[in-house]
Amino acid sequence: NAGVTQTPKFRILKIGQSMTLQCTQDMNHNYMYWYRQDPGMGLKLIYYSVGAGITDKGEVPNGYNVSRSTTEDFPLRLELAAPSQTSVYFCASVPSGGTAKNIQYFGAGTRLSVL
Amino acid sequence: AQRVTQPEKLLSVFKGAPVELKCNYSYSGSPELFWYVQYSRQRLQLLLRHISRESIKGFTADLNKGETSFHLKKPFAQEEDSAMYYCALEVTDKLIFGTGTRLQVFP
Repeated sequence: NAGVTQTPKFRILKIGQSMTLQCTQDMNHNYMYWYRQDPGMGLKLIYYSVGAGITDKGEVPNGYNVSRSTTEDFPLRLELAAPSQTSVYFCASVPSGGTAKNIQYFGAGTRLSVL
Repeated sequence: AQRVTQPEKLLSVFKGAPVELKCNYSYSGSPELFWYVQYSRQRLQLLLRHISRESIKGFTADLNKGETSFHLKKPFAQEEDSAMYYCALEVTDKLIFGTGTRLQVFP
C-alpha cells in the first residue's frame, strides 16, 4: 500500500492563479481531511469528508474548495491564490471503524508559495 | 471552546535526561487525546493515544482529567527523539491540534 499520496510536493503560484492539490489514498478509508500548517501555528483543518459525495468545512475553509467523487481521491482547489495561502498543506485519511478509529494517516505534504 | 495548548515551542535536553512535553486541553466531553510526531523529512505519524495506554519508543502519556492535561514523558531522552511533537484532541471525528513542541536532544 502506498498510503496517502499528495501531489505536487512543491509549487509556486502567482497571485490570482488557481491550482488543485491532489490527494489519494489506497487504504479504503472513508474519512479524509485537508490541513494547512503555518509556521508556529500547528495544523488547521480546511475541509473534511466522511465519505464519497460528502464534504464539510473545517476551521479555515475560505479560499478553498473540495470534492469527493470517489473514496480514494480528495482534491483541494485554490481558485484565486493569495499570499495568505502560502503554507504547507497536508492531507490525511482515517478508517471509520475498528481499533484504528480516529488514527489519522498523513501524506507527505505540499509546500505552496504564492508570490 | 475546544482547544489544545502546548506552552513550549522548543524543549532542549541532553541525551539521557528526562523529557516532559506539556499538553493541556479544553473540552467539556470525555476527551480522546493523541500525540503525533514528525521526524525530520518524514510525514506526521501517530506516536500514541491515551485509550491504548501503551508505551511507544519509551514514551508514555497519562490523561489527567482534573488538570485537563496529557503530558508526554520519557525517562531517558535519545538523540533520535529529536522531532516536532503535536498533541491533538478528537472532537466529533475531527482533530484539534496544538501548535507543537520541537524537542532537541543534544549528545
